[in-house]
Parts: sequence; C-alpha cells; structure tokens
Amino acid sequence: NAGVTQTPKFQVLKTGQSMTLQCAQDMNHNSMYWYRQDPGMGLRLIYYSASEGTTDKGEVPNGYNVSRLNKREFSLRLESAAPSQTSVYFCASSVGTSNEQFFGPGTRLTVL
Amino acid sequence: AQSVSQHNHHVILSEAASLELGCNYSYGGTVNLFWYVQYPGQHLQLLLKYFSGDPLVKGIKGFEAEFIKSKFSFNLRKPSVQWSDTAEYFCACRDTDKLIFGTGTRLQVFP
Repeated sequence: NAGVTQTPKFQVLKTGQSMTLQCAQDMNHNSMYWYRQDPGMGLRLIYYSASEGTTDKGEVPNGYNVSRLNKREFSLRLESAAPSQTSVYFCASSVGTSNEQFFGPGTRLTVL
Repeated sequence: AQSVSQHNHHVILSEAASLELGCNYSYGGTVNLFWYVQYPGQHLQLLLKYFSGDPLVKGIKGFEAEFIKSKFSFNLRKPSVQWSDTAEYFCACRDTDKLIFGTGTRLQVFP
C-alpha cells in the first residue's frame, strides 16, 4: 500500500497563477484533510472532508477550494496564488474523524 | 473550540538525557489525544494516542505520555533520548470531527 500520496512534491508559482494539489489514499479511509505547515505555527487545517460528498472549512480556508472527487481523492486548489500561501501543504486521511490521521509526504509551494 | 498549547518551542538535550514535552488542551469532556513526530524532511508519523483507559500510554521508540485530566495535560516523556530523536513533535486533540494541533516543539539532541 502506498498510503497517502501527494503531487507535486515541489512547485513554484508566480502571484496570480492557479494550481491544484492532488492527494490520494489507498487505505479506504472515509475522512481526508488538507493542512498547511508554517514555521512557528504548527499545522493549520485548511479544509476537510469527513466523508465522501462532504467538505467543510477548517481554520484557514481563505484563498483555497477543495474537491472530494471520490473516496480516494481530495484535491486542493489555489485560484489566484499569493505570496502568503508559500508553505508546505500536507494531506492526511483517517478511518473516521476521531481516529489517527495518516499523512502524505507534503508539497512545498513557493509563490513569488 | 478546542485549542492545544505546547509551551516548549525548542528543546536542546544531550544524548541519554531525559525528555518531557508539555502539552495542554483547553477543555475537558471526552478527549482523544495524539502525539506526532516529524523527522527532518519527512511527513508526520503517529507516536502514540490516548482514547480512554490507562492514562499512561506507551508508544513507539520508547516514548510514553501521561493523560492527567485534572490538569488538561498530555505530556510526552522519554527516559533517555538518542540523537535519532532529533525531530519536531506535535501534540493534537480531537475537536468534534477534526484534529487541532499545537505549534510544535523542536527537539535537538546532541551526541
């Protein structure tokens, strides 16, 4: 099992460009999450999907959109990237919302 | 909403020293608590978790944590650290249908 996979691993964007971060899990988990990690701020939840067909805002949703494409895949879209969105983005999944989360390897995004 | 505090932002230890990292959550009731570790350049991995039962929880790599309900705390301990424990450690608490993470503690262990 690959667990949680994320693409791309690295990305550099110019201000105003758009892009989609992809996440997939092969553990048949119901819940999926997108976090951003910034120095000194820990992990902050952007959006999550408690189950297929549902999505909810987390702590820092502004500037992002998500799509739960199916049970396996949960994508994060930046419509118009800003330098403040420079960060490392992690996707995670869990069996249920109260269970441990399994994390992907991360995407390091730089917005110039 | 739940919040998680990790008061030690950066800890520096020599090998074989004992470790205790603090974690406090903001309110009680039924809590699910977690400690995750992030080794340099890697993703987060679960060290241990507490859902109910014995408040002393043992995890991987010799780590343990004690849930003290009266203090709203879930501190991480290890009797003797190794250089390979150099990493960032995150405490997390479940809040309805998501996890709330602390800001992390960076641990550096010198040989």
